[in-house]
Amino acid sequence: GENVEQHPSTLSVQEGDSAVIKCTYSDSASNYFPWYKQELGKRPQLIIDIRSNVGEKKDQRIAVTLNKTAKHFSLHITETQPEDSAVYFCAALKGKVSGGYNKLIFGAGTRLAVHP
Amino acid sequence: SQTIHQWPATLVQPVGSPLSLECTVEGTSNPNLYWYRQAAGRGLQLLFYSVGIGQISSEVPQNLSASRPQDRQFILSSKKLLLSDSGFYLCAGVKDGSFYEQYFGPGTRLTVT
Repeated sequence: GENVEQHPSTLSVQEGDSAVIKCTYSDSASNYFPWYKQELGKRPQLIIDIRSNVGEKKDQRIAVTLNKTAKHFSLHITETQPEDSAVYFCAALKGKVSGGYNKLIFGAGTRLAVHP
Repeated sequence: SQTIHQWPATLVQPVGSPLSLECTVEGTSNPNLYWYRQAAGRGLQLLFYSVGIGQISSEVPQNLSASRPQDRQFILSSKKLLLSDSGFYLCAGVKDGSFYEQYFGPGTRLTVT
């Protein structure tokens, strides 16, 4: 069935270093891949997403890359700051985007700690 | 702008008691709505989704149920809570103009004792 695997489960970096989180998906029809950031006790917030018609998308210090052939996508955070500390979830859309119901399959999450 | 409200923010209930969590949406009409549960330190589990009034689909068999009595209201219920029902319950909607971009409400933290 559909599945999204996310690695690593925990990641510890020094402030200013880069952080990379990787996800693989199983549904070859998936064409939308969002990333969410969840701070402790808060709701998940969408930070960046990518459609399958592009290979990379950047927004300031964060970027997402997609390899459709290998069915994996990654989140890259550069110049990490303590406020980047949170749990990050990747997700993949089940099947293709449609005009009705669309289901996201979430990874298990990565706990990122950025140490000053 | 679209906003999801959830009520209550926190709840402590004994095992075997009933449950009713409310999600309301403003700033949009006829939204697709979702209920997720997040156990402590875990990922997001989709429980129910709804594409309109009275239309509910269940993703996981359990002792929970959902209802959509109004266009912008989505309710999660249980007749008898289990310890395993403890968690962070999140209501999500789809952003206007997008068929897939989901945004979340503030959540309800439920502790079953």
